[in-house]
This record gives sequence, C-alpha cells and structure tokens, in this order.
Amino acid sequence: AQSVAQPEDQVNVAEGNPLTVKCTYSVSGNPYLFWYVQYPNRGLQFLLKYITGDNLVKGSYGFEAEFNKSQTSFHLKKPSALVSDSALYFCAVRAVYNFNKFYFGSGTKLNVKP
Amino acid sequence: DGGITQSPKYLFRKEGQNVTLSCEQNLNHDAMYWYRQDPGQGLRLIYYSQIVNDFQKGDIAEGYSVSREKKESFPLTVTSAQKNPTAFYLCASRDTGRGGHEQYFGPGTRLTVT
Repeated sequence: AQSVAQPEDQVNVAEGNPLTVKCTYSVSGNPYLFWYVQYPNRGLQFLLKYITGDNLVKGSYGFEAEFNKSQTSFHLKKPSALVSDSALYFCAVRAVYNFNKFYFGSGTKLNVKP
Repeated sequence: DGGITQSPKYLFRKEGQNVTLSCEQNLNHDAMYWYRQDPGQGLRLIYYSQIVNDFQKGDIAEGYSVSREKKESFPLTVTSAQKNPTAFYLCASRDTGRGGHEQYFGPGTRLTVT
C-alpha cells in the first residue's frame, strides 16, 4: 500500500530562519513524490517533485526537498523563510500500480512570524 | 490564460438535493480528477478520468457521479446518497501526453449542505 505521513500538524518559524516541513512515505518500488502548497480557500499549487536523479530537488519560490531513500523521507526545506510562505503544505506520492492515483498527507500548516 | 476553473466558488444546498459542480480546463490535459478535502484529512480521490468517455472510481466514490463527454469538462454531481457532502471540492488535471506527473488544481468549490 502507498501512503505518506506528515508528522507535524503545524510548524512555526521566524522570518529569515530556515524551515523544514517533514514527510515520510511508504511505497513498494521507486517513489514519485510531490510537494504542493495551499493558501486559504484556494486550490493546491505544485512546488516540486522527485522522480529520479539527484536527491536534492529544487522547486518554485526558493523551496527545495531532499529525497532520502534509506529513511523513506522527502522533507521540504527553504533556507530563509518569508511571512508570505505561511500556508498549508501537502506531500503526495503516486501509486506504483496506477499512474492516476496519488496519496496525499494530511497537511502541515506553516506559520512564519515576522 | 490557461488553467482550471471551478464554479461556483461557494454553493449552498438543502439535504436531499442533488448538486453539480463544474470543472473546466483549457490546458489540453487528458486526465482529470475530483478530490474532496476535509480539515485535517488531506485530499481524498473521488473519481478520475484518463480520457473522454471513460472514468474510474476513486477511494470515496459512493454518493457521487461524474461524466466526461468533452476533454475540457469533468462535472461532479453530489447526490442525495452522499451522507456527509459538506466539504471543499477540488478538481485537478494532468498532462499524460508528455509524461507529466504533477497535477494542476482548480480554485475549489466549497459546498455546504444543511
């Protein structure tokens, strides 16, 4: 079975500090992993993905994510947080057996304080 | 200006009434999806369609129906059989033709049933 877990409901960070939003996954086979961001009452916006290749993936708005196969993790990171980064972040994994099924984590609310 | 549109943004209905949510895309994507989002639960897949005139049940299809008569349109009907229809509904699409992996989301429709 495929699944992702986001162990933190909420992450608080001061503006200018580095941020990390955690995600662990469970999938049999090579994972296709994604991060999305959602602002209040809006749809999700794609940030970045890991398909294959370098373990450090760079995405939109200065975000990056590190794929760690041994720890089955795909943590989202940013070197310097902005107040405007405050939003709900979702990690997702694509099913191995069905390219149209994606499993989303429960989301992590990021609060960046000035 | 390409993208996915959902209408209406807010929808209010009485119990026992069927309601149809609109989803239109001009991205020329083959695959389209409907998700339901509830607080603290992430996104759950209702239905998906990989091509016109074909659609498949997702994980929570009971009480919902869809059609895919045109490539750009994928309406969702919430029937009176859906026990707890109040939720935020998100439509998404994906470009399968170019090996696309990530999904593009519409702005969502918030349905309230009383």
